[in-house]
Amino acid sequence: GAVVSQHPSWVICKSGTSVKIECRSLDFQATTMFWYRQFPKQSLMLMATSNEGSKATYEQGVEKDKFLINHASLTLSTLTVTSAHPEDSSFYICSALGGRGSYNEQFFGPGTRLTVL
Amino acid sequence: GNSVTQMEGPVTLSEEAFLTINCTYTATGYPSLFWYVQYPGEGLQLLLKATKADDKGSNKGFEATYRKETTSFHLEKGSVQVSDSAVYFCALSATSNTGKLIFGQGTTLQVKP
Repeated sequence: GAVVSQHPSWVICKSGTSVKIECRSLDFQATTMFWYRQFPKQSLMLMATSNEGSKATYEQGVEKDKFLINHASLTLSTLTVTSAHPEDSSFYICSALGGRGSYNEQFFGPGTRLTVL
Repeated sequence: GNSVTQMEGPVTLSEEAFLTINCTYTATGYPSLFWYVQYPGEGLQLLLKATKADDKGSNKGFEATYRKETTSFHLEKGSVQVSDSAVYFCALSATSNTGKLIFGQGTTLQVKP
């Protein structure tokens, strides 16, 4: 149980186009999901917290108009990279917060590799 | 602010060797501490956790003890296997328990037969 999927697993796009990445909790409901960005050989950087039915909370320095997050249901959050540029090329990882008793654990998706040409 | 520092990798060991991956943290209050593992091509998985000082988390032969006096949470395993080859991330969650995690930079472990 507690599986999180991401789609697509990798995407290549031209500069100036928009790309949507989906994050789904397959066997549990998640009111909260997180989006991370990971550069090669570096740590995961939290971009935003996505809450079902409300606006996402972005971390300092993350452009909310460039990285649009929609959490329309308890099992799906989407990240849209608008007007992508080569510097947006990265590995994007989502996680979903699931409860186990009194403790909430983050379950991670396998990530999406974005390459902007 | 809160931060996590891990020893740099890659770490290369022979099978059955002893493993230590150092992790230290900076945080206000009493954070919870975690080790995550990322196998090739897969998402991060929780390996073990500790929620208060002196707690020892353990799973699959891995152990880590929450040391508040040294602000450390070092990962250890007595005898590594080839299947342990992966990237290991130390992380903390602040006292406010919003669920947000702060990660270290990750340490790549390669175990050779």
